[in-house]
Amino acid sequence: NAGVTQTPKFQVLKTGQSMTLQCAQDMNHEYMSWYRQDPGMGLRLIHYSVGAGITDQGEVPNGYNVSRSTTEDFPLRLLSAAPSQTSVYFCASSTLAGGTDTQYFGPGTRLTVL
Amino acid sequence: KQEVTQIPAALSVPEGENLVLNCSFTDSAIYNLQWFRQDPGKGLTSLLLIQSSQREQTSGRLNASLDKSSGRSTLYIAASQPGDSATYLCACVSGANSKLTFGKGITLSVRP
Repeated sequence: NAGVTQTPKFQVLKTGQSMTLQCAQDMNHEYMSWYRQDPGMGLRLIHYSVGAGITDQGEVPNGYNVSRSTTEDFPLRLLSAAPSQTSVYFCASSTLAGGTDTQYFGPGTRLTVL
Repeated sequence: KQEVTQIPAALSVPEGENLVLNCSFTDSAIYNLQWFRQDPGKGLTSLLLIQSSQREQTSGRLNASLDKSSGRSTLYIAASQPGDSATYLCACVSGANSKLTFGKGITLSVRP
């Protein structure tokens, strides 16, 4: 098992550019989520999905879109990048068994918006 | 809204000490509480998961306890080693759709 994989590992964007952060898991997990981690703010939930075709907003969803067409993949799209979106982004997955399972995290994508 | 607090933000101890990391949460209606380790520039690795019906979990030199009524959890590290140096985060799973709420973490430094 590769677990949770994220690409790219590093990315530099200019303000206004768009891009997609990729996340994939091979554990057949129903629940997937995206977090951003900022100094002094901790990890904050951006969007999450409880299964293919079902997504919902987390704590800080503005400026980000997600879709879940397959169980394995959960891409995060930045529509028009802003400097405030400079952060480290983590994808996570778990089984949906009433929240009783361990969350598995990817290695992160470090994004800088100039 | 669930809030998770970890104090202090940083801790430095000499090698060999037994130490306790604290975590508090405001809403006791949790499904579980998890402790994670994060090394610099890396992702999060799950250390221990305590279900809401459990009082503690152990793995090697690590022991985590949970007291839902007081909204507290502790992570006990026995005989600390320099390799334990990392940031330790606690997180609660609560609410609809199992949302995870994180504390800001405690950065631990174990001096040789």
